[in-house]
Amino acid sequence: SYELTQPSSVSVFPGQTARITCSGDILARKYARWFQQKPGQAPVLIIFEDSERPSGIPERFSGSSSGTTVTLTIRGAQVDDEADYYCWSASDNNLMFGGGTKLTVL
Amino acid sequence: VQLVESGGGLVQPGGSLKLSCAASGFTFSGSAIHWVRQASGKGLEWVGRIVNKPNNYATIYGASVKGRFTISRDDSKSTAYLQMNSLKIEDTAVYYCRTTGTRGDFDFWGQGTLVTVSS
Repeated sequence: SYELTQPSSVSVFPGQTARITCSGDILARKYARWFQQKPGQAPVLIIFEDSERPSGIPERFSGSSSGTTVTLTIRGAQVDDEADYYCWSASDNNLMFGGGTKLTVL
Repeated sequence: VQLVESGGGLVQPGGSLKLSCAASGFTFSGSAIHWVRQASGKGLEWVGRIVNKPNNYATIYGASVKGRFTISRDDSKSTAYLQMNSLKIEDTAVYYCRTTGTRGDFDFWGQGTLVTVSS
């Protein structure tokens, strides 16, 4: 079966660039989405189709894809970006989230 | 777009519970509905999905709930359901309802309902 692998944690200082990766075989043929979840809140879509940003999501959030890895990049990370981030992908019979990455903006 | 889950609560191991997800603000009949859960301090776990009528209301489930959980929908009420049977302690979690559509940016979540399985 497929799975998506993320680092458990990433730390950056305010203003730095944070990169969170998500790896899995399914990503070679299916798009990924990224969700941001803050404590006590529901997840929010921040990237779809690997690199597209929904309206209302700040431009500092971007996504990219290469082979079986997708990357969420947060340029000029802010304290407010501190949250858990999850990747997601789906095929006809395999739908899954990555394990999640806790982003700390020190 | 609004999704409101209800029906959570305390249930004993081996018991049953039915969650509801009431939708508004979009064309419910055209969308897919997922259930996603999150145990306290843990990551998101996809539970299952039901698609729309043109796709025969097909359902698919995650391995940990297959055979115990059933997703259904009533388009006339813009409501989806999650019937949970043979509940286990490890099913304790916040259960979220999520809707997706043909557009990749159509992906919205409810605020969740807490299910606690305990004796």
